[in-house]
Amino acid sequence: GAGVSQTPSNKVTEKGKYVELRCDPISGHTALYWYRQSLGQGPEFLIYFQGTGAADDSGLPNDRFFAVRPEGSVSTLKIQRTERGDSAVYLCATGNQGTEQFFGPGTRLTVL
Amino acid sequence: AQTVTQSQPEMSVQEAETVTLSCTYDTSESNYYLFWYKQPPSRQMILVIRQEAYKQQNATENRFSVNFQKAAKSFSLKISDSQLGDTAMYFCAFMSPNSGYALNFGKGTSLLVTP
Repeated sequence: GAGVSQTPSNKVTEKGKYVELRCDPISGHTALYWYRQSLGQGPEFLIYFQGTGAADDSGLPNDRFFAVRPEGSVSTLKIQRTERGDSAVYLCATGNQGTEQFFGPGTRLTVL
Repeated sequence: AQTVTQSQPEMSVQEAETVTLSCTYDTSESNYYLFWYKQPPSRQMILVIRQEAYKQQNATENRFSVNFQKAAKSFSLKISDSQLGDTAMYFCAFMSPNSGYALNFGKGTSLLVTP
């Protein structure tokens, strides 16, 4: 079956703009995670959904970051008023709670 | 909060040789899981091996095995018969029910396999 997909693969934007990053999970996976990976670092947790609700958003760095998963499937990570420090690879992973997480290929965000 | 430490930023091994990547972690929890993920230049994070803390037996997956020392909070990865395709970043990660099963990653070890 299809794996986790993320779109776009790359996104270049200007400082101050709004961006949306999309994650399409593996069908049937109830848990969805967003991570951010800066250059030379391991991924850092941002937010976790179980079904439609955000079960833990403690990793979101500030209120410019928001994520939704309205129907318990596709999720969108939204970043307002982007800053150069937001430049990173944003990874999505899905699974069923307590089991292996399957990762998407990531979206590389570059803020100029 | 849990911390995961990978003390080897870079390692190199010759093809067909064996290499061991180190990982230590800090936690007060008794129920948790440990993972090694591989990330090649394509960025795709791939699960290499998984260990449940309650299992005493070390996990193995073909050429990959771990040395899990629970008391020492150590979780090293051994790659036998290294292949050129093993060249990648390797991340050690910790997961627990108390953190919603979110993965907590180390900074990674860059492994280069040379001919």
